[in-house]
Amino acid sequence: KQEVTQIPAALSVPEGENLVLNCSFTDSAIYNLQWFRQDPGKGLTSLLLIQSSQREQTSGRLNASLDKSSGRSTLYIAASQPGDSATYLCAVTNAGGTSYGKLTFGQGTILTVHP
Amino acid sequence: GAVVSQHPSWVICKSGTSVKIECRSLDFQATTMFWYRQFPKQSLMLMATSNEGSKATYEQGVEKDKFLINHASLTLSTLTVTSAHPEDSSFYICSARDGGVGEQFFGPGTRLTVL
Repeated sequence: KQEVTQIPAALSVPEGENLVLNCSFTDSAIYNLQWFRQDPGKGLTSLLLIQSSQREQTSGRLNASLDKSSGRSTLYIAASQPGDSATYLCAVTNAGGTSYGKLTFGQGTILTVHP
Repeated sequence: GAVVSQHPSWVICKSGTSVKIECRSLDFQATTMFWYRQFPKQSLMLMATSNEGSKATYEQGVEKDKFLINHASLTLSTLTVTSAHPEDSSFYICSARDGGVGEQFFGPGTRLTVL
């Protein structure tokens, strides 16, 4: 059964700092990996999607990498801003077993960027 | 593109009543829709997968007679929480996919509170 782990569970940084969020998964049979942002009481906003054949994706100040063989992904946020404060979720689309085609989510990292 | 809506965005009901939540794909045909629930400070847990025109597939531990799912068209899926109880209070989120194992697009969620 796929398990997705995110470290750290919470992170508090001063504005302007560069930061890295980590995601690991136990089964490398995946189609893709997505990073989402969730504000309190709101739905999910998709940030980046990396296909299993890709190594990284970039969007603005965000850069996500994927090492499928080692079961790891990182989300790099450059020059953090208070508006980046949210919960960041990592999820993989499974390519095998009974979870084929389904997303498995990590528990999330709660990010606080203080002015 | 790839917009998914949910209605209502929040609902409060009395214990014992049934509540219907709608999930619509606005600009694409969703062959598969997924229903998730999220408890406070927890991640998303998949409840069931529905394919247009066929019965939903429920995850282990989810009562199919309590959470009725209908996916009668390529743009609409409904989740009915029957005889709701306070422990059913949660944030329910749907997602939709237009085929294959590509990206899932998420709705904004529905906050259900059962008194």
